[in-house]
Amino acid sequence: GDSVTQMEGPVTLSEEAFLTINCTYTATGYPSLFWYVQYPGEGLQLLLKATKADDKGSNKGFEATYRKETTSFHLEKGSVQVSDSAVYFCALTSLNTGFQKLVFGTGTRLLVSP
Amino acid sequence: EPEVTQTPSHQVTQMGQEVILRCVPISNHLYFYWYRQILGQKVEFLVSFYNNEISEKSEIFDDQFSVERPDGSNFTLKIRSTKLEDSAMYFCASKGGEGSYEQYFGPGTRLTVT
Repeated sequence: GDSVTQMEGPVTLSEEAFLTINCTYTATGYPSLFWYVQYPGEGLQLLLKATKADDKGSNKGFEATYRKETTSFHLEKGSVQVSDSAVYFCALTSLNTGFQKLVFGTGTRLLVSP
Repeated sequence: EPEVTQTPSHQVTQMGQEVILRCVPISNHLYFYWYRQILGQKVEFLVSFYNNEISEKSEIFDDQFSVERPDGSNFTLKIRSTKLEDSAMYFCASKGGEGSYEQYFGPGTRLTVT
């Protein structure tokens, strides 16, 4: 079945550092890929998405490129802020489930210090 | 901006009791979902609902669980006889029509079973 693997956290960075959170996936065909963010005490917010190979999703300075050859969708940001501290979830939906249910990774906690 | 809402934000119940978690999806969305997140673990799919019927459910979604769309706006998850292991954050999500991929999540209901 479909699965998503994320790097273990927590990831601890100083403000203005470069961020990469790795995400790889296993799915049949061409899944749609997402990053969701969960701030402390809140629900899941869609951060960005990509629906086909080589698409780049971007939002709020975050980017991720859909790489079919490496089955990856790594999240990057050039300069993190303290307010980016949250848990980041990589997720996919695929033809296996009629593009219905989301399959999530385990989440990666990001801690940014001033 | 339209959003998914959920009530209550926190529910405490005793083992064996019935609980109903409520959600109001985004008004023109057609697909509805419930997910849960046990503390510190990944977000897991429970059930998807379309055209007034369940379209897919996970192994977690056993006979103790049911979903309903009692009117044009609410979407509910009922747990008939709660167990300690049902303690989790429950998220409702909704998605637009065919061809849309993004699911939008509510803020969640924290269920504590004692």
